[in-house]
Amino acid sequence: DTEVTQTPKHLVMGMTNKKSLKCEQHMGHRAMYWYKQKAKKPPELMFVYSYEKLSINESVPSRFSPECPNSSLLNLHLHALQPEDSALYLCASSHQTRGTVADTQYFGPGTRLTVL
Amino acid sequence: DQQVKQNSPSLSVQEGRISILNCDYTNSMFDYFLWYKKYPAEGPTFLISISSIKDKNEDGRFTVFLNKSAKHLSLHIVPSQPGDSAVYFCAASEEGAQKLVFGQGTRLTINP
Repeated sequence: DTEVTQTPKHLVMGMTNKKSLKCEQHMGHRAMYWYKQKAKKPPELMFVYSYEKLSINESVPSRFSPECPNSSLLNLHLHALQPEDSALYLCASSHQTRGTVADTQYFGPGTRLTVL
Repeated sequence: DQQVKQNSPSLSVQEGRISILNCDYTNSMFDYFLWYKKYPAEGPTFLISISSIKDKNEDGRFTVFLNKSAKHLSLHIVPSQPGDSAVYFCAASEEGAQKLVFGQGTRLTINP
């Protein structure tokens, strides 16, 4: 089983709203990721959690706030977003092996976010 | 600086023939390479990977070839089927780095 689930599938929010995206995996993976993807572009890495600790923040604006409550769950809290933040937000997970993550990342189906 | 490049934005192949998608990289520290397939509005689906200690990996209709001296890899799909129509991303990572570096993608269209 290589399933990563994400909710909601679609989200429309205003610039003053607060919302959260959720991601879950039950593969025993210890690394989890948030990516942002715009149309006709490759996924862009936002955050990496390794053993529930934030290990990479790719200079993402503070209006995006990640959280890893446990090894199976990953959240992305959204507040005061801009219309240009509209995109497909992808979660991924992978095994964490001896401090390296040079292994396969499995992606969820994504949340299509529209900011009005 | 684009470390992973897919120079063909699109490719059209007849059903039943071979599809060859190409990817070039510049970072000699990359040691693990992956191909993902993506349908519109869905997450990328992992297809096949290859470690730098190999030069070929095969899984059913999909074969990935790695030429380290040329810093080039390719994905062969044979025979091509209509369901293979999608955008294909090449990705690479280096040991100890928690990042995948993606190419820009190639849109493959399989014609009946």
